[in-house]
Amino acid sequence: QVQLVESGGGVVQPGRSLRLSCAASGFTFNNYALHWVRQAPGKGLEWVAVISYDGNFKYYADSVKGRFTISRDNSKITLFLQMDSLRTEDTAVYFCARDPGGLTRYYYFDYWGQGTLVTVSS
Amino acid sequence: EIVLTQSPGTLSLSPGERATLSCRASQSVSSRYLAWYQQKPGQAPRLLIYGASSRATGIPDRFSGSGSGTDFTLTISRLEPEDFAVYYCQQYGSSLLTFGQGTRLEIK
Repeated sequence: QVQLVESGGGVVQPGRSLRLSCAASGFTFNNYALHWVRQAPGKGLEWVAVISYDGNFKYYADSVKGRFTISRDNSKITLFLQMDSLRTEDTAVYFCARDPGGLTRYYYFDYWGQGTLVTVSS
Repeated sequence: EIVLTQSPGTLSLSPGERATLSCRASQSVSSRYLAWYQQKPGQAPRLLIYGASSRATGIPDRFSGSGSGTDFTLTISRLEPEDFAVYYCQQYGSSLLTFGQGTRLEIK
């Protein structure tokens, strides 16, 4: 079965960096686009970024553009989110999610990981 | 950016009743790019509906989606105890994905 498992969350000071990982299994990883979606404590969902199946297309929400970088290693079946210049408002649970579009993108999410909590605080 | 407004914010109903959740967009949304999710406390969201009206794999047929343009609806025909949760609509357009703020469905 499809599984996505995030890791790398923790407590970090404002202005510092953190790298999240999402390990995948149960599907042909290099055939699907992947997304990061976040949820601040007690709040709704916010889309963060998308990467195409081959890593050649990336797009970001305005709130993280220029600070976050999405990437993937298809040989290691892992998705990443490099988060730099972190702000207190980046505090959230970060989910990785699969786009069901295969080699294209449908821009919704059919499988989600359980999330990893990032807390930005001094 | 397309803003999605969900109503009501909270819906109080009893098991067996019918639930109607609304999602209104600030601009027209392609039905192809409208989805609904269910989220329970401490869990990841779960895809219910995609393409405005297609049920995701394994979703019971008491869940249905409808609508077009700027007005979309999620209907749960007969509420089961496990249906009480928060529901989000989500759209893609103009290179941005946005979610509604959610509707909390609670037991009356």
